[in-house]
Amino acid sequence: DADVTQTPRNRITKTGKRIMLECSQTKGHDRMYWYRQDPGLGLRLIYYSFDVKDINKGEISDGYSVSRQAQAKFSLSLESAIPNQTALYFCATSDLVGGDETQYFGPGTRLLVL
Amino acid sequence: GQQLNQSPQSMFIQEGEDVSMNCTSSSIFNTWLWYKQDPGEGPVLLIALYKAGELTSNGRLTAQFGITRKDSFLNISASIPSDVGIYFCAGQLNGNKLVFGAGTILRVKS
Repeated sequence: DADVTQTPRNRITKTGKRIMLECSQTKGHDRMYWYRQDPGLGLRLIYYSFDVKDINKGEISDGYSVSRQAQAKFSLSLESAIPNQTALYFCATSDLVGGDETQYFGPGTRLLVL
Repeated sequence: GQQLNQSPQSMFIQEGEDVSMNCTSSSIFNTWLWYKQDPGEGPVLLIALYKAGELTSNGRLTAQFGITRKDSFLNISASIPSDVGIYFCAGQLNGNKLVFGAGTILRVKS
């Protein structure tokens, strides 16, 4: 079984709709992240969480919100989707050991906003 | 925020050729990571580097952590068609979140 899972894998929605992307992990990691990937721009950090009660904005958090319901779950919401939020979204987890961090990624959610 | 410059942006090479790509930063890192992303999948960790000057291999892949701690390179020897994908570098300092490069797209001609 995959250590980091994302649901749904693909989603088509309309402008103005609220949608939620889910991420679950079985690695027991404290840290979780949401990234967005657009062609030619690499991975850009949306939000991250270092623990259940910890939420931090990344470089492109506008238009998004997150919820860390439990250590294993981190969900990303688009309150009112717009077409330029069409992208590939990745969840990642990590555990800081001795000051070094390795992030493990989920398979991604492809979102199309019409 | 911190930026990583990753080059080249893309490469189109003949099967069997060696490949080299690198990342540079204006600030230092304690950790350099190299990921590969296959089409339609999430990035997968290839190599992790934790000490300046460290040279680490993983099969046909070799990566080095630059002495200045501001750069890293990844080499792939004798490329094969399944090497196709996007390669990302990432740097981290003192437990802070990772900073990613924009990626190098690798295409291989059979």
